[in-house]
Amino acid sequence: SSELTQDPAVSVALGQTVRITCQGDSLRNYFASWYQQKPGQAPVLVIYGKNNRPSGIPDRFSGSSSGNTASLTITGAQAGDEADYYCHSRDNSGNAFGGGTKLTVL
Amino acid sequence: QLQLQESGPGLVKPSETLSLTCTVSGGSISSNSDYWGWIRQPPGKGLEWIASVYYSGSTYYKPSLRSRVTLSVDTSKNQFSLKLTSVTAADTGVYYCVRHPQIFGADTYNWFDPWGQGTLVTVSS
Repeated sequence: SSELTQDPAVSVALGQTVRITCQGDSLRNYFASWYQQKPGQAPVLVIYGKNNRPSGIPDRFSGSSSGNTASLTITGAQAGDEADYYCHSRDNSGNAFGGGTKLTVL
Repeated sequence: QLQLQESGPGLVKPSETLSLTCTVSGGSISSNSDYWGWIRQPPGKGLEWIASVYYSGSTYYKPSLRSRVTLSVDTSKNQFSLKLTSVTAADTGVYYCVRHPQIFGADTYNWFDPWGQGTLVTVSS
């Protein structure tokens, strides 16, 4: 079982803003990273560290953290953002992933 | 542009050893700040970090897999490898190799980027 907890599914209307959250004790000590995975594809890093975006990731993706919760915010969701999103952080045992959130763009 | 490519058998018999190799191109596996790791994903399920290795050979493992996993590095070939022993059907899934940069200091964190395309390994007789 994952030590990082994510909501299994979230939906957002096209063009609206959505926040995907990740909870876990390790997030009090370590920043999360976030990954987007579309069907049949390898995951892609979208956010890491305090709020860093890799080259090529649109600035509508942003990250934040408070206490034991990390959040990925997508501002102005596009149809192409429909995917599974996973959070990750270092923890005392090594590294852990959340169970994933399936984002549906309506 | 850094690229990673997994290779190895797609079918392994129960109780045998799963062996995969990741070839790194477009950069050196001997980078000072980078570990190199393996992550797997059972069919229809989430991601699971397995282990990561530094070019010097320093490794760290998911505790529940520690007894069955061995990672190694071949800097001359710019490759790193995974061996998972005594496999069962529960080890079936897509296996990804990844670059695993680490930041240590006032803020300690790491991330996985880029990912290989993944290779499906099925454990079945």
